[in-house]
Amino acid sequence: GIQVEQSPPDLILQEGANSTLRCNFSDSVNNLQWFHQNPWGQLINLFYIPSGTKQNGRLSATTVATERYSLLYISSSQTTDSGVYFCAVLNTGNQFYFGTGTSLTVIP
Amino acid sequence: GAGVSQSPRYKVTKRGQDVALRCDPISGHVSLYWYRQALGQGPEFLTYFNYEAQQDKSGLPNDRFSAERPEGSISTLTIQRTEQRDSAMYRCASSPGQGGYGYTFGSGTRLTVV
Repeated sequence: GIQVEQSPPDLILQEGANSTLRCNFSDSVNNLQWFHQNPWGQLINLFYIPSGTKQNGRLSATTVATERYSLLYISSSQTTDSGVYFCAVLNTGNQFYFGTGTSLTVIP
Repeated sequence: GAGVSQSPRYKVTKRGQDVALRCDPISGHVSLYWYRQALGQGPEFLTYFNYEAQQDKSGLPNDRFSAERPEGSISTLTIQRTEQRDSAMYRCASSPGQGGYGYTFGSGTRLTVV
């Protein structure tokens, strides 16, 4: 299967700070998604982004498929942004391969 | 329904018992997936269905695990003779079709085998 590596594994931010999360993957993909697992365990789909750049409020994501990486930007972080951010990729099959996540803690 | 619904939300069972975990996908979603998530890890694929047909079960760890979706809607993941190593979050997801677009996860079932 495809290897997915995320960095950093842990991140602590002061409220209002910005951050960049990175996802590297080992093979070409047809689909890449970023998910947020909140402290209650819900897994929320943030972006469907196999290539290019998208923005949604304070969050944006960029995928450079030819170089096999994706970045998730969080600006003006809030305590509600805390949780684990997962990158997941899909190639020719129908199963997503997940990274081990970045655990984000935003402190007030 | 409005989202993917899983039940029970939490399940504690004794080693050796059988458990059945239920997933009710978003109405009209053709594809349904089961994943298992160990603590501190990302979800790992178990199996998936298109309509009632099980298309891929390569992720099922052994023959104690099985899944069905008899009418192409609700799915059940069954674990027989549970072992402590089966303890994990079991997540279901559904999508309108293949390719991953519109993938929506349920809140999961937290299984603890004691």
